[in-house]
Amino acid sequence: GQQVMQIPQYQHVQEGEDFTTYCNSSTTLSNIQWYKQRPGGHPVFLIQLVKSGEVKKQKRLTFQFGEAKKNSSLHITATQTTDVGTYFCATARQLTFGSGTQLTVLP
Amino acid sequence: NAGVTQTPKFQVLKTGQSMTLQCAQDMNHEYMSWYRQDPGMGLRLIHYSVGAGITDQGEVPNGYNVSRSTTEDFPLRLLSAAPSQTSVYFCASRQQGSNQPQHFGDGTRLSIL
Repeated sequence: GQQVMQIPQYQHVQEGEDFTTYCNSSTTLSNIQWYKQRPGGHPVFLIQLVKSGEVKKQKRLTFQFGEAKKNSSLHITATQTTDVGTYFCATARQLTFGSGTQLTVLP
Repeated sequence: NAGVTQTPKFQVLKTGQSMTLQCAQDMNHEYMSWYRQDPGMGLRLIHYSVGAGITDQGEVPNGYNVSRSTTEDFPLRLLSAAPSQTSVYFCASRQQGSNQPQHFGDGTRLSIL
Protein backbone atom coordinates (compact mmCIF):
# COMPACT_ATOMS: atom_id res chain seq x y z
CA GLY A 1 0.00 0.00 0.00
CA GLN A 2 0.95 3.62 -0.28
CA GLN A 3 3.33 4.68 2.46
CA VAL A 4 4.48 8.01 3.74
CA MET A 5 7.70 8.54 5.62
CA GLN A 6 7.82 11.29 8.19
CA ILE A 7 10.85 12.96 9.73
CA PRO A 8 12.07 13.68 12.28
CA GLN A 9 10.58 11.19 14.74
CA TYR A 10 11.25 13.48 17.70
CA GLN A 11 12.01 17.19 18.02
CA HIS A 12 12.77 19.16 21.13
CA VAL A 13 12.72 22.94 20.79
CA GLN A 14 12.99 25.88 23.12
CA GLU A 15 9.81 27.92 23.35
CA GLY A 16 9.93 30.59 20.66
CA GLU A 17 12.01 28.53 18.23
CA ASP A 18 10.63 27.33 14.92
CA PHE A 19 9.73 23.72 14.11
CA THR A 20 9.32 21.80 10.86
CA THR A 21 8.20 18.25 10.12
CA TYR A 22 8.43 16.63 6.70
CA CYS A 23 6.34 13.98 5.02
CA ASN A 24 7.62 12.10 1.95
CA SER A 25 6.03 9.61 -0.40
CA SER A 26 7.57 7.51 -3.18
CA THR A 27 4.41 7.92 -5.23
CA THR A 28 2.29 10.88 -6.23
CA LEU A 29 -0.39 11.70 -3.70
CA SER A 30 -3.88 12.85 -4.60
CA ASN A 31 -4.02 14.87 -1.42
CA ILE A 32 -2.50 14.94 2.05
CA GLN A 33 -3.96 15.65 5.44
CA TRP A 34 -2.30 16.78 8.67
CA TYR A 35 -3.41 15.83 12.17
CA LYS A 36 -2.31 16.78 15.67
CA GLN A 37 -2.47 14.49 18.67
CA ARG A 38 -2.02 15.99 22.13
CA PRO A 39 -0.44 13.74 24.78
CA GLY A 40 -3.07 11.24 25.94
CA GLY A 41 -5.52 12.42 23.31
CA HIS A 42 -6.72 11.38 19.90
CA PRO A 43 -5.68 12.69 16.47
CA VAL A 44 -7.48 15.86 15.41
CA PHE A 45 -7.68 17.00 11.81
CA LEU A 46 -5.78 20.20 11.06
CA ILE A 47 -5.85 20.73 7.31
CA GLN A 48 -5.87 19.15 3.86
CA LEU A 49 -3.73 20.03 0.85
CA VAL A 50 -4.83 19.07 -2.64
CA LYS A 51 -3.11 21.19 -5.27
CA SER A 52 0.48 20.98 -6.46
CA GLY A 53 2.59 23.63 -4.70
CA GLU A 54 -0.27 24.57 -2.38
CA VAL A 55 0.52 26.61 0.74
CA LYS A 56 -1.97 27.12 3.54
CA LYS A 57 -1.60 28.97 6.83
CA GLN A 58 -3.32 28.64 10.16
CA LYS A 59 -2.01 31.37 12.46
CA ARG A 60 1.60 30.27 13.21
CA LEU A 61 1.29 27.01 11.23
CA THR A 62 2.26 26.87 7.54
CA PHE A 63 1.49 23.80 5.46
CA GLN A 64 3.04 23.11 2.06
CA PHE A 65 2.43 20.51 -0.63
CA GLY A 66 5.29 19.86 -3.02
CA GLU A 67 5.17 20.63 -6.70
CA ALA A 68 5.36 16.93 -7.56
CA LYS A 69 2.76 16.09 -4.87
CA LYS A 70 5.19 13.64 -3.29
CA ASN A 71 6.09 15.59 -0.18
CA SER A 72 4.61 17.96 2.32
CA SER A 73 5.75 19.96 5.31
CA LEU A 74 4.34 21.60 8.40
CA HIS A 75 6.20 24.58 9.82
CA ILE A 76 5.41 26.18 13.15
CA THR A 77 6.77 29.68 13.76
CA ALA A 78 7.70 30.70 17.30
CA THR A 79 6.54 27.56 19.07
CA GLN A 80 4.48 27.75 22.24
CA THR A 81 3.90 25.16 24.94
CA THR A 82 0.43 24.62 23.51
CA ASP A 83 2.05 23.22 20.35
CA VAL A 84 3.24 20.14 22.24
CA GLY A 85 2.03 16.90 20.70
CA THR A 86 2.55 14.53 17.81
CA TYR A 87 1.96 15.72 14.27
CA PHE A 88 0.93 13.21 11.63
CA CYS A 89 0.56 13.42 7.89
CA ALA A 90 -1.91 11.09 6.26
CA THR A 91 -2.89 9.97 2.80
CA ALA A 92 -6.64 10.32 2.71
CA ARG A 93 -7.34 7.83 -0.03
CA GLN A 94 -5.36 4.99 1.56
CA LEU A 95 -6.25 5.90 5.16
CA THR A 96 -2.50 5.64 5.83
CA PHE A 97 -0.65 7.71 8.41
CA GLY A 98 2.98 8.63 8.68
CA SER A 99 4.84 7.60 11.82
CA GLY A 100 4.47 11.10 13.27
CA THR A 101 6.80 13.73 14.72
CA GLN A 102 6.63 14.16 18.47
CA LEU A 103 7.21 17.80 19.40
CA THR A 104 8.39 18.82 22.85
CA VAL A 105 8.53 22.52 23.67
CA LEU A 106 10.77 23.49 26.56
CA PRO A 107 9.64 26.62 28.45
CA ASN B 1 -23.40 15.44 18.81
CA ALA B 2 -21.38 12.61 20.37
CA GLY B 3 -19.18 12.04 17.27
CA VAL B 4 -17.22 8.79 17.54
CA THR B 5 -17.70 6.87 20.78
CA GLN B 6 -15.39 4.05 21.83
CA THR B 7 -15.92 1.66 24.72
CA PRO B 8 -14.31 0.64 26.95
CA LYS B 9 -11.66 3.31 27.58
CA PHE B 10 -9.36 0.87 29.38
CA GLN B 11 -9.18 -2.91 29.44
CA VAL B 12 -6.82 -5.53 30.82
CA LEU B 13 -7.00 -9.05 29.41
CA LYS B 14 -5.19 -12.29 29.96
CA THR B 15 -3.49 -14.03 27.07
CA GLY B 16 -5.98 -16.14 25.16
CA GLN B 17 -9.08 -14.22 26.20
CA SER B 18 -11.35 -12.72 23.58
CA MET B 19 -13.11 -9.40 23.63
CA THR B 20 -14.85 -6.84 21.47
CA LEU B 21 -13.95 -3.17 21.28
CA GLN B 22 -17.00 -1.11 20.48
CA CYS B 23 -17.14 1.87 18.14
CA ALA B 24 -20.22 3.91 17.26
CA GLN B 25 -20.64 7.13 15.30
CA ASP B 26 -23.70 9.33 14.95
CA MET B 27 -22.60 11.38 11.93
CA ASN B 28 -23.95 8.98 9.28
CA HIS B 29 -20.42 8.48 7.94
CA GLU B 30 -19.92 5.76 5.37
CA TYR B 31 -16.24 5.10 6.10
CA MET B 32 -15.07 3.65 9.41
CA SER B 33 -11.60 2.44 10.36
CA TRP B 34 -9.70 0.84 13.20
CA TYR B 35 -6.11 1.78 13.99
CA ARG B 36 -3.63 0.68 16.58
CA GLN B 37 -1.01 3.04 17.94
CA ASP B 38 2.28 1.81 19.34
CA PRO B 39 5.19 4.01 20.46
CA GLY B 40 7.27 5.20 17.52
CA MET B 41 5.07 3.47 14.95
CA GLY B 42 2.33 5.97 14.37
CA LEU B 43 -1.15 4.78 13.50
CA ARG B 44 -1.44 1.49 11.68
CA LEU B 45 -4.63 0.54 9.90
CA ILE B 46 -6.15 -2.75 11.07
CA HIS B 47 -9.45 -2.98 9.18
CA TYR B 48 -11.76 -0.55 7.50
CA SER B 49 -15.26 -0.38 6.06
CA VAL B 50 -16.65 1.73 3.23
CA GLY B 51 -20.25 1.04 4.16
CA ALA B 52 -22.63 -1.34 5.90
CA GLY B 53 -21.90 -4.93 4.95
CA ILE B 54 -18.47 -4.12 3.44
CA THR B 55 -15.16 -4.55 5.25
CA ASP B 56 -11.56 -4.89 4.14
CA GLN B 57 -8.15 -5.52 5.65
CA GLY B 58 -5.63 -2.86 6.41
CA GLU B 59 -1.91 -3.08 7.12
CA VAL B 60 -2.06 -5.24 10.29
CA PRO B 61 -5.28 -7.34 10.23
CA ASN B 62 -4.01 -10.61 11.76
CA GLY B 63 -5.68 -11.52 15.06
CA TYR B 64 -8.59 -9.15 14.54
CA ASN B 65 -12.07 -9.47 13.04
CA VAL B 66 -14.60 -6.80 12.17
CA SER B 67 -18.16 -6.60 10.92
CA ARG B 68 -20.36 -3.72 9.81
CA SER B 69 -24.01 -4.63 10.11
CA THR B 70 -25.14 -0.99 10.49
CA THR B 71 -23.81 2.36 9.37
CA GLU B 72 -23.36 3.45 13.00
CA ASP B 73 -21.41 0.55 14.51
CA PHE B 74 -18.04 -1.00 13.70
CA PRO B 75 -16.88 -3.40 16.44
CA LEU B 76 -13.36 -4.85 16.53
CA ARG B 77 -12.95 -8.38 17.87
CA LEU B 78 -9.82 -9.88 19.32
CA LEU B 79 -10.21 -13.60 18.91
CA SER B 80 -7.43 -14.82 21.21
CA ALA B 81 -5.55 -11.96 22.84
CA ALA B 82 -1.75 -11.96 22.72
CA PRO B 83 0.72 -9.65 24.52
CA SER B 84 1.72 -8.24 21.10
CA GLN B 85 -1.77 -6.77 20.87
CA THR B 86 -1.15 -4.49 23.83
CA SER B 87 -1.74 -1.07 22.31
CA VAL B 88 -4.00 1.94 22.08
CA TYR B 89 -6.83 1.36 19.62
CA PHE B 90 -8.53 4.20 17.78
CA CYS B 91 -11.70 4.08 15.76
CA ALA B 92 -12.29 6.74 13.11
CA SER B 93 -15.01 7.67 10.68
CA ARG B 94 -15.41 9.98 7.72
CA GLN B 95 -17.78 10.82 4.95
CA GLN B 96 -17.36 9.20 1.56
CA GLY B 97 -14.74 10.91 -0.56
CA SER B 98 -10.97 10.91 -0.19
CA ASN B 99 -10.91 14.62 0.63
CA GLN B 100 -12.90 14.19 3.83
CA PRO B 101 -11.22 14.44 7.24
CA GLN B 102 -11.31 11.55 9.67
CA HIS B 103 -12.94 11.94 13.07
CA PHE B 104 -11.41 9.88 15.86
CA GLY B 105 -12.78 8.43 19.05
CA ASP B 106 -10.95 8.85 22.36
CA GLY B 107 -9.32 5.44 22.08
CA THR B 108 -9.23 2.19 24.04
CA ARG B 109 -6.09 1.44 26.03
CA LEU B 110 -5.69 -2.33 26.01
CA SER B 111 -3.17 -4.36 28.00
CA ILE B 112 -2.69 -8.09 27.47
CA LEU B 113 -0.95 -9.90 30.30
